Amino acid sequence: QVQLVQSGAEVKKPGASVKVSCKASGYTFTSYGISWVRQAPGQGLEWMGWISAYNGNTNYAQKLQGRVTMTTDTSTSTAYMELRSLRSDDTAVYYCARLMGDYYGSGIKPYYFDYWGQGTLVTVSS
Amino acid sequence: QSALTQPASVSGSPGQSITISCTGTSSDVGGYNYVSWYQQHPGKAPKLMIYDVSNRPSGVSNRFSGSKSGNTASLTISGLQAEDEADYYCSSYTSSSTQVFGGGTKLTVL
Repeated sequence: QVQLVQSGAEVKKPGASVKVSCKASGYTFTSYGISWVRQAPGQGLEWMGWISAYNGNTNYAQKLQGRVTMTTDTSTSTAYMELRSLRSDDTAVYYCARLMGDYYGSGIKPYYFDYWGQGTLVTVSS
Repeated sequence: QSALTQPASVSGSPGQSITISCTGTSSDVGGYNYVSWYQQHPGKAPKLMIYDVSNRPSGVSNRFSGSKSGNTASLTISGLQAEDEADYYCSSYTSSSTQVFGGGTKLTVL
């Protein structure tokens, strides 16, 4: 069965970086993309971007451009999301999700997310 | 990309039907048949309930159905049950090859 298992909770100071991992199993990792979605306390879902596990191409949400980097390690079927220059409003639960969509040469048309990780709480506090 | 618009809350009694709306623009909801819906219970990860406007994944009850008209998509839950009480989010593919979520709707089963 498809599973996405994320790394544990993190506490970071403002200005620091955090790297969250998402280990996939139960499917061919390179046949799909991974999206990252975050949820601030008491707030809604916010799409952060996607990465193709096939070729590493990425597409990030405009508001996070320059601060976020998504990568994959195909040898361990693991996706990573690194967020830099953390601020207090980055405090959130971060989810990875398997991305269903139209996969073409240079990227992905992301249509929906069929499996989700359990979430990783990142707290940014001085 | 602005978030899709959902009502903050809806409620219904057991056995009744409710509908949650999700309004976007011609660059997202209205332009593509790629609207999805997610159910989220407190402290849990979201769960896919509807994809491609009206398709249900295997294992999702047929009490859940989706539709779309113009720039507005809808999720209908019939035969409301206590376990349906949760937050519901819509999401859509956009013309920028990104995804955008709605603000979420809290469903209360009275």
